Amino acid sequence: KQEVTQIPAALSVPEGENLVLNCSFTDSAIYNLQWFRQDPGKGLTSLLLIQSSQREQTSGRLNASLDKSSGRSTLYIAASQPGDSATYLCAVRDFGNEKLTFGTGTRLTIIP
Amino acid sequence: EAQVTQNPRYLITVTGKKLTVTCSQNMNHEYMSWYRQDPGLGLRQIYYSMNVEVTDKGDVPEGYKVSRKEKRNFPLILESPSPNQTSLYFCASRPQAIYSNQPQHFGDGTRLSIL
Repeated sequence: KQEVTQIPAALSVPEGENLVLNCSFTDSAIYNLQWFRQDPGKGLTSLLLIQSSQREQTSGRLNASLDKSSGRSTLYIAASQPGDSATYLCAVRDFGNEKLTFGTGTRLTIIP
Repeated sequence: EAQVTQNPRYLITVTGKKLTVTCSQNMNHEYMSWYRQDPGLGLRQIYYSMNVEVTDKGDVPEGYKVSRKEKRNFPLILESPSPNQTSLYFCASRPQAIYSNQPQHFGDGTRLSIL
């Protein structure tokens, strides 16, 4: 059974710093991995989706990497801003499976 | 605007009183799904649907029902709600059920409190 872990559960960094969020998963037979952002009282917004054949995806200041063999993904945020404060979730879709398995998220606070 | 719409956004009700949470998407997506989010447990899938009249259980289906009579709608039904179903619920959709690398789109959530 796939398990997804995100450590740390919470992270605070000063504005302007670059930061990395971590996601690990136990079963490397995945179809894709998706990073989401969740704001309080809001739903999930998809940030990046990495297919199993890809190593990374970029969107603006965000870069997500995937290392299937080690069961790890990272989300790199460059030049952090207070508007980046949110909870970041990663989710894995296994081969032959329609559902997403989510981590419990990292709550990120950017300090102005 | 492409979106997934859930109603109601907030609901406080009592044990045993049947309720329905509606979900509608305007993107013509085949795949739709319901999740619940609980502190420390993350999001867990309740039910999903790969197309009209095709539904299947997720990880935590007990106490819930769904139907998919139209492509755009996927209501979640709690026939006899209990306090352990107090949670934040999300509906999601994406195109092409099988072998799709499209991201899922989520609604804004429904916070249910069962007293």
